[in-house]
Amino acid sequence: DAGVTQSPTHLIKTRGQQVTLRCSPKSGHDTVSWYQQALGQGPQFIFQYYEEEERQRGNFPDRFSGHQFPNYSSELNVNALLLGDSALYLCASTLGGPYEKLFFGSGTQLSVL
Amino acid sequence: EDQVTQSPEALRLQEGESSSLNCSYTVSGLRGLFWYRQDPGKGPEFLFTLYSAGEEKEKERLKATLTKKESFLHITAPKPEDSATYLCAVLQGAQKLVFGQGTRLTINP
Repeated sequence: DAGVTQSPTHLIKTRGQQVTLRCSPKSGHDTVSWYQQALGQGPQFIFQYYEEEERQRGNFPDRFSGHQFPNYSSELNVNALLLGDSALYLCASTLGGPYEKLFFGSGTQLSVL
Repeated sequence: EDQVTQSPEALRLQEGESSSLNCSYTVSGLRGLFWYRQDPGKGPEFLFTLYSAGEEKEKERLKATLTKKESFLHITAPKPEDSATYLCAVLQGAQKLVFGQGTRLTINP
C-alpha cells in the first residue's frame, strides 16, 4: 500500500520564480493538506483540499495556491518566490469525514536563492 | 488563538535514562491532541491521539498522557533508535493541526 508520495524531493529556485509541488495521497484517502516547515520549527498549515475545493486556509498570502484533481492528487503553487519561502513543504492525506490521523509524505525541500 | 509550546527544545539522554517531554496548549475547547515523531529529512509519523484529560496511551517505550493544560510524552529506558524530533499538535476546526516547535531528542549509546 503506497503511502503519501511527493515530488520532487528537492528543488532550487531563485527569487521571483514560480514553483509547483505535487502530491499523491495514500490509497483510499480523499483529503489533502499542505504544510510548510521552516528549519527547526513545527509544520504550519497552508490549506486543505477536499472534493477539488479549498476547504480551509491558514495565514499564508495569495501567492500560495493549490489544486486538487479528480483522482485526489494535489498541487501546491507558489508565485513570486521570496527567500523566506525556503522550507520543507509537507503534504498530508486523510479521509474527509470525522477527523482521522494525518499521514504525511516525506516532503519537498525548497531552497530559494 | 490556539497555541502549542513544547519543552525542552532539545534533550540529550543516555541509553536507558527515562525522561518526559512537555507540551503545553491553549485552546478554546480541545478536540484532539496529537503526538508525531519526525526523523531528519522525513515527514512526521503519527504516534498518538488524546481527546480528554486523564487519557493515556502507550506504544513500546512511549506513553502519552493528557491534562487540561498540557500533555506529556514519557520515554522509558530509551534506545538510540528513539532519537528524533517529537512534535505535539492540537486540532483546530475540523481538519487543521496547530503544531508546537518540537523537541529534538538524542539518545546516546
